[in-house]
Amino acid sequence: AQTVTQSQPEMSVQEAETVTLSCTYDTSENNYYLFWYKQPPSRQMILVIRQEAYKQQNATENRFSVNFQKAAKSFSLKISDSQLGDTAMYFCAFIYSGAGSYQLTFGKGTKLSVIP
Amino acid sequence: NAGVTQTPKFQVLKTGQSMTLQCAQDMNHEYMSWYRQDPGMGLRLIHYSVGAGITDQGEVPNGYNVSRSTTEDFPLRLLSAAPSQTSVYFCASRRQGSEQYFGPGTRLTVT
Repeated sequence: AQTVTQSQPEMSVQEAETVTLSCTYDTSENNYYLFWYKQPPSRQMILVIRQEAYKQQNATENRFSVNFQKAAKSFSLKISDSQLGDTAMYFCAFIYSGAGSYQLTFGKGTKLSVIP
Repeated sequence: NAGVTQTPKFQVLKTGQSMTLQCAQDMNHEYMSWYRQDPGMGLRLIHYSVGAGITDQGEVPNGYNVSRSTTEDFPLRLLSAAPSQTSVYFCASRRQGSEQYFGPGTRLTVT
């Protein structure tokens, strides 16, 4: 079974600074997807970024980028130029990409506060 | 596309009452799921479905029933509500190989 660990329950960052959220996972599979979801106070779950395990290039989406280290089973999220609207819970998630894989495994989340 | 919709947004029940949380998606996704979110626990899978007529249990299925008569709809039934079922409930859907799309959530309080 897969497990996803987010070791930082809470973090804070000054506005306009950079912050990195950690995520490690454990799997014996070789082909999978990794995701970061954001949950602001509105409660809506929003996809931030997605990484396919077969791709060596790290995914980026505007101010959000990942550092994907497949051998180390690490998938950290970097937020550059932090904004007040980035204040949210962030969840790392894993899913095996093969047939018969139906559901995501989530970490317990990191609560990020952006300080003005 | 409306995406994934859930009703109601908020609900208060008394212990022992039953109710159904509604979920619908208009993206023709095969896979649909129900999660509950509790403080410090992340999201835990209750039940899921891989297509119309096919459902299975997740990590925390006790006290909940589901059915999937159509591709679009996946209701979650609480048979006899208990205070331990106070939580935020999310419905989600996805296609094979894609990310999961979430509904807006239902905050349920059982007194």
